[in-house]
Amino acid sequence: AQTVTQSQPEMSVQEAETVTLSCTYDTSESDYYLFWYKQPPSRQMILVIRQEAYKQQNATENRFSVNFQKAAKSFSLKISDSQLGDAAMYFCAYRSSDHMRDKIIFGKGTRLHILP
Amino acid sequence: KAGVTQTPRYLIKTRGQQVTLSCSPISGHRSVSWYQQTPGQGLQFLFEYFSETQRNKGNFPGRFSGRQFSNSRSEMNVSTLELGDSALYLCASSFVPGLVRDTQYFGPGTRLTVL
Repeated sequence: AQTVTQSQPEMSVQEAETVTLSCTYDTSESDYYLFWYKQPPSRQMILVIRQEAYKQQNATENRFSVNFQKAAKSFSLKISDSQLGDAAMYFCAYRSSDHMRDKIIFGKGTRLHILP
Repeated sequence: KAGVTQTPRYLIKTRGQQVTLSCSPISGHRSVSWYQQTPGQGLQFLFEYFSETQRNKGNFPGRFSGRQFSNSRSEMNVSTLELGDSALYLCASSFVPGLVRDTQYFGPGTRLTVL
């Protein structure tokens, strides 16, 4: 069974600085998807970035980028120029490419605090 | 395009009662998944529906059930509520063209409190 581990329950970063959130996963599959979701205090889960395992190039979305290391099964999220609105719980998630196992497996989350 | 909507947003029930939660996916999305979120267990997958059929199910007791209608709207039902069922229930929808896996988009959730 697949597992997703986020080893940092909480992190803090100064506004305008860069922060990296860690995520490791375990799977025997070769094709899958990885996601970072953000859940602000309002509770609406928002997709931040996604990565297809077959793509070697790391995904980037504006200030958000990932470092995808398939062999190491590592998928970290880097937030550049941190803003107050980035404060939230961040979840790393895994999704199989097998449609018969179509569910997302989430890590426990990392609560990110932005210090003004 | 309107996002995923869930009703009601908040619900208070007592032990032993049953509850039905509703989820309307993004227009054109045919897959709907349900998750339970609690402080202790985090986010856990309940089940997934596609074309009115349950395709996947998580490790939850039979008191948790769901269904999907022809318009892709989905409901989940919890019977004989227990205190431990208090949680945020999230619904997510995705567009499934053939076998291509796509991103799941989440609704705001239904906060269920069982007294």
